[in-house]
Amino acid sequence: DAEITQSPRHKITETGRQVTLACHQTWNHNNMFWYRQDLGHGLRLIHYSYGVQDTNKGEVSDGYSVSRSNTEDLPLTLESAASSQTSVYFCASSETRTGSTDTQYFGPGTRLTVL
Amino acid sequence: DAKTTQPPSMDCAEGRAANLPCNHSTISGNEYVYWYRQIHSQGPQYIIHGLKNNETNEMASLIITEDRKSSTLILPHATLRDTAVYYCIVRSRYADGLTFGKGTHLIIQP
Repeated sequence: DAEITQSPRHKITETGRQVTLACHQTWNHNNMFWYRQDLGHGLRLIHYSYGVQDTNKGEVSDGYSVSRSNTEDLPLTLESAASSQTSVYFCASSETRTGSTDTQYFGPGTRLTVL
Repeated sequence: DAKTTQPPSMDCAEGRAANLPCNHSTISGNEYVYWYRQIHSQGPQYIIHGLKNNETNEMASLIITEDRKSSTLILPHATLRDTAVYYCIVRSRYADGLTFGKGTHLIIQP
């Protein structure tokens, strides 16, 4: 079955280190998204992509970057990890941007702790 | 995107229908109503969505009032595995991300 996976599922890192979280989907969806979830804030959009070589900033993009070199993957990079980036990160994908086919499907999440 | 209002928590007995309300009085004509749920420590799971007509799928039914200012998600025969936080999201068809509020914590009682 097609699916969306994230790795690692848990990560502990130190302040100042570069960290990359992987997201891989096998639905051949054009659109991919990264969210973070913190207590009291719900899910907030970090970055998103509508296709290969396309990337866009979301609500909380500072300190994060993404690149889209193929349809299946959208890795999220924390250039210099900060304690404020301790969170649970979710990746999502959707088929199109219009009407009934833009439903987003989420991965299982990555719990990141920055010490 | 229009804002939504949901009760913070609800209880329902196992085997009964769970009816989760959502108010979205400022919804505009091109905005859809989406429902997601999040079981503890898992990623959000899509349930159903609609524009103005009632919708049904294998998981749930969505009832949208005629004026579109409110909706109800119905889980017809709730089980313990339906215990989760349920999010009602109003979103235009061209919005980029999903805006999650606090949702309703539904607890299914045995």
